[in-house]
Amino acid sequence: RKEVEQDPGPFNVPEGATVAFNCTYSNSASQSFFWYRQDCRKEPKLLMSVYSSGNEDGRFTAQLNRASQYISLLIRDSKLSDSATYLCVVTANQAGTALIFGKGTTLSVSS
Amino acid sequence: DADVTQTPRNRITKTGKRIMLECSQTKGHDRMYWYRQDPGLGLRLIYYSFDVKDINKGEISDGYSVSRQAQAKFSLSLESAIPNQTALYFCATSDPSGRAADTQYFGPGTRLTVL
Repeated sequence: RKEVEQDPGPFNVPEGATVAFNCTYSNSASQSFFWYRQDCRKEPKLLMSVYSSGNEDGRFTAQLNRASQYISLLIRDSKLSDSATYLCVVTANQAGTALIFGKGTTLSVSS
Repeated sequence: DADVTQTPRNRITKTGKRIMLECSQTKGHDRMYWYRQDPGLGLRLIYYSFDVKDINKGEISDGYSVSRQAQAKFSLSLESAIPNQTALYFCATSDPSGRAADTQYFGPGTRLTVL
C-alpha cells in the first residue's frame, strides 16, 4: 500500500461548483496533516493544516479521520484561480522529521 | 524578497558533470530539506538537515551529497550527473516549534536537465 494515496484526477468543474478531494495514508504514527497547493511548475505552498476537529478557512474545509486514516478537502464555490494540483501531506513519524507527499489531485475550474 | 531562494533556477548540463544547487533562507529556520519532483511520482526527499551539524539521508539519496554551510545555507551536489537525475528540485525549510510545526516552506525550484 502506498504511503499517501490520492485520486490523481483531473477534476474538471465549472465555476461555483463544490468539489471534494480524498486522501488516505498508511502510517498510523503520522501526527500532522496538511493540504498543499501547487501551481504548474511552481513550488508547493501550504493551503491549510488539518486538525482532528476539522477546520475551515473561507471556502476550504479540511477533515481528518484518524481511525480510517483518511483526510479530505472540500472546496466550495470554486473559482478559476483554484485551478491547481492539491497535495495531501502527512508526517512520516511521530517526531515529524519528514513529510510524505501524495502525488496530488489536479483541479481545473472552467468558466 | 523571497524567504527561500534557490540558484540556479534552470540548468542544463551533460552526463558526468559535477553540479551544485544552492539554497538560502532568511526565515531563521533550523531545518532544511532537498526534494526532487518527477512527473507522476510526486515529491521525494533526498536529504534533510536539522542543524548545521546534522545531515540525514532521505528516501533517494544515492547519487547526491549535501553540505550545510550555515543555518541559512544548504547545498545539494550531484557528483557525476546522469540523465535520470533530470527533475525539478526543491529546497524547503521548517521550524519545529509552535503552531506551524512541521509546516514546510519551499523555494521556487531548480529545473535541472542532464543530457
